[in-house]
Amino acid sequence: QQQVKQSPQSLIVQKGGISIINCAYENTAFDYFPWYQQFPGKGPALLIAIRPDVSEKKEGRFTISFNKSAKQFSLHIMDSQPGDSATYFCAASTGNQFYFGTGTSLTVIP
Amino acid sequence: GAGVSQSPSNKVTEKGKDVELRCDPISGHTALYWYRQRLGQGLEFLIYFQGNSAPDKSGLPSDRFSAERTGESVSTLTIQRTQQEDSAVYLCASSTPLASFHNEQFFGPGTRLTVL
Repeated sequence: QQQVKQSPQSLIVQKGGISIINCAYENTAFDYFPWYQQFPGKGPALLIAIRPDVSEKKEGRFTISFNKSAKQFSLHIMDSQPGDSATYFCAASTGNQFYFGTGTSLTVIP
Repeated sequence: GAGVSQSPSNKVTEKGKDVELRCDPISGHTALYWYRQRLGQGLEFLIYFQGNSAPDKSGLPSDRFSAERTGESVSTLTIQRTQQEDSAVYLCASSTPLASFHNEQFFGPGTRLTVL
């Protein structure tokens, strides 16, 4: 059973546009929600993370929106750039258990 | 600074052979994770080590998979009698409870395993 559901599977955005990736979870015990960015041939790298006691976290062009009641969270990439083209994974964690979404392949067209 | 390293970067083996994958975590990181990433899929948890505690093996898909870690150093993931469905990228990550982020994981580049 997929603990974290991620959509869309792939996304194409024009340079300067907004990229939005969504994730949903069921387990209310999750207390940490990170997003990872992965380039081809590399391991995932932490991009931004949020705890469930806040509804939004922003770091530069990257924002996480968190809706605790709906058990959903999303990543927004503002002013998307070709260098943002990568695969993005959401995850949810409780303790030392991490559950990852299936990933979104983002392509930003110049 | 040195990150998580994994070796080999690529491994091609024949069905039925055993393989051993190595992970060198960041020095001082007490926690170590192994994940499997199949083509186009998310990360599948395999096993978790924390210090000298008993490892969490709940993600290992079969008894052909095993992993060891000596103290807080190198870990090896062993796959016996490999099958074609074992073909994937195997990722290692380490973390420390002292990190500013809650259990932030630092990933290695992975080992791409191909079973012919």
